[in-house]
Amino acid sequence: DAKTTQPTSMDCAEGRAANLPCNHSTISGNEYVYWYRQIHSQGPQYIIHGLKNNETNEMASLIITEDRKSSTLILPHATLRDTAVYYCIVRVAGGSYIPTFGRGTSLIVHP
Amino acid sequence: DVKVTQSSRYLVKRTGEKVFLECVQDMDHENMFWYRQDPGLGLRLIYFSYDVKMKEKGDIPEGYSVSREKKERFSLILESASTNQTSMYLCASSSASPGLAGGPGSYNEQFFGPGTRLTVL
Repeated sequence: DAKTTQPTSMDCAEGRAANLPCNHSTISGNEYVYWYRQIHSQGPQYIIHGLKNNETNEMASLIITEDRKSSTLILPHATLRDTAVYYCIVRVAGGSYIPTFGRGTSLIVHP
Repeated sequence: DVKVTQSSRYLVKRTGEKVFLECVQDMDHENMFWYRQDPGLGLRLIYFSYDVKMKEKGDIPEGYSVSREKKERFSLILESASTNQTSMYLCASSSASPGLAGGPGSYNEQFFGPGTRLTVL
């Protein structure tokens, strides 16, 4: 599976958009991009995933570049409760069951 | 609401004790996973199971074993606990149906339990 690179930490003002980048330059054509987040003292929580089209759900939007080598998770109106570690993962559909979590990005939303 | 539960939130054991960590999911998921999480190291996969009585080693299986006698339950066993096994342990499950990712046996999103913080003295 392709590896991902994320900044170690970011911060954002409450009410503003939080844009979290992820590089996956070795992604192959059948790999999906998944995002999870982990709020302190809780297990990780699935946010969103996509293949090549941009995706949006009630939690976030996922923008994938045309060459698929990078993506951005967007939290349109960050709140204090969005403070968490965000993980970007790429996985092959129909591949093995082992998801690999890196160190993620620690997002701090401040008042 | 989907749910993955773990038997304890906090556990303190002594070196050499046999430790059982239990995980139960109510979503009829085929896949179940055990991770440990340590500061600066992210989540590391210990073992996973894709069916009853089936198990596969993850990245760090040494010192651990697992048991999956029923589809909804996946147990992690520390045969002889050591201090370097002090960690946060996270269980997860996922379906293997076509679902969102498409195709048989495909990886779908994981649902995690709240974690067990194990301290080995």
